[in-house]
Amino acid sequence: EDQVTQSPEALRLQEGESSSLNCSYTVSGLRGLFWYRQDPGKGPEFLFTLYSAGEEKEKERLKATLTKKESFLHITAPKPEDSATYLCAVQARWNYGGSQGNLIFGKGTKLSVKP
Amino acid sequence: GAVVSQHPSRVICKSGTSVKIECRSLDFQATTMFWYRQFPKKSLMLMATSNEGSKATYEQGVEKDKFLINHASLTLSTLTVTSAHPEDSSFYICSAISDSKGSYNSPLHFGNGTRLTVT
Repeated sequence: EDQVTQSPEALRLQEGESSSLNCSYTVSGLRGLFWYRQDPGKGPEFLFTLYSAGEEKEKERLKATLTKKESFLHITAPKPEDSATYLCAVQARWNYGGSQGNLIFGKGTKLSVKP
Repeated sequence: GAVVSQHPSRVICKSGTSVKIECRSLDFQATTMFWYRQFPKKSLMLMATSNEGSKATYEQGVEKDKFLINHASLTLSTLTVTSAHPEDSSFYICSAISDSKGSYNSPLHFGNGTRLTVT
């Protein structure tokens, strides 16, 4: 069964304390892996798309990497404004011809960064 | 760019009434929009895919007659929750794809969601 597992569920960091969020996936053929940021009471905000193992993408203090089994979202020297829930989602090859919106989402990692 | 606006952000209604939620793409044309439902500490779940000018495609287990979707134009899709019950209380989010070429890996752009509470 295709699934996405994110860990940890919650992560508390001090400002400046770097860390990583994990997204493990099991899917019969990966078309793409997506990272989103979601603030309370808001919709997800797109961060990155990764397509193949070994790929990396960066945006400010965030860096996303991808292997054949998992993706990491590295946060370097986080600030309080980085506090949010980070969602990982995958699109499976089996879904070709199905809905492009049918992503398999993880439950997210709630990040809190204290000043 | 790629802004999706959803309205209202919060709505409280009485059991048995219907509620309409609007999703608009503000700066691009969206031939396809998607509707999701999110429960606390749960994953986002796709409810239906909305195509402009045609009937929506519903995911398995989603009641078509309860969740009416209309995609009247390239910038507007609506979700109507009919005869709402307390168990319909949830966070509903829409999204749209901005890539006019329809690239399969185009990122989804989400609205800010609607918190529905049915009393």
